[in-house]
Amino acid sequence: QVQLVESGGGLVKPGGSLRLSCAASGFTFSDYYMSWIRQAPGKGLEWVSYISSSGSTIYYADSVKGRFTISRDNAKNSLYLQMNSLRAEDTAVYYCARSVAGYNWGQGTLVTVSS
Amino acid sequence: QLVLTQSPSASASLGASVKLTCTLSSGHSSYAIAWHQQQPEKGPRYLMKLNSDGSHSKGDGIPDRFSGSSSGAERYLTISSLQSEDEADYYCQTWGTGNVVFGGGTKLTVL
Repeated sequence: QVQLVESGGGLVKPGGSLRLSCAASGFTFSDYYMSWIRQAPGKGLEWVSYISSSGSTIYYADSVKGRFTISRDNAKNSLYLQMNSLRAEDTAVYYCARSVAGYNWGQGTLVTVSS
Repeated sequence: QLVLTQSPSASASLGASVKLTCTLSSGHSSYAIAWHQQQPEKGPRYLMKLNSDGSHSKGDGIPDRFSGSSSGAERYLTISSLQSEDEADYYCQTWGTGNVVFGGGTKLTVL
């Protein structure tokens, strides 16, 4: 069955960087767009970014544009999110999801930005 | 501007039915949406994609108790024969080129 497993979260100081990974299995990874979505503590879902199946098309939410970079490695069935210049308001659980519509979700990885 | 509006809360009795609403912003009534369920302390789960004509495709393992329908700019999620495990937050989502939007979510309480 489809599995998405995020990793790489943790505690980081404001201005710092983190790289999140999402390992995919159970489907043909290279056939699907992939997304990152986040959820701040006690809040709703917020889209962060998505990437096309080939990686040639990428979009970001305005809140992360210029600071975050999405990428993928189809040979490794993996999705990534490089997060730079982190702010307190980036504190959230980060989920990867299959497709733009979110056909499957991972369990999430917590990113805490605090001094 | 693409916006989805959901009521913050809803409640219904065990065994009853409930209909949750998601409203698309003006000019976007033809858009498809997705419904997701988030049980307490868990990640979201995809329920279905719902088109403007009311046709929908459910995710793997989603019970028949969950159904979707559409009317104009409104998208509905109906849950019948409510069970305790249906108590959760329900989010609608839509997308356009370069943009993905979530509604604020509806917290469903099963009485």
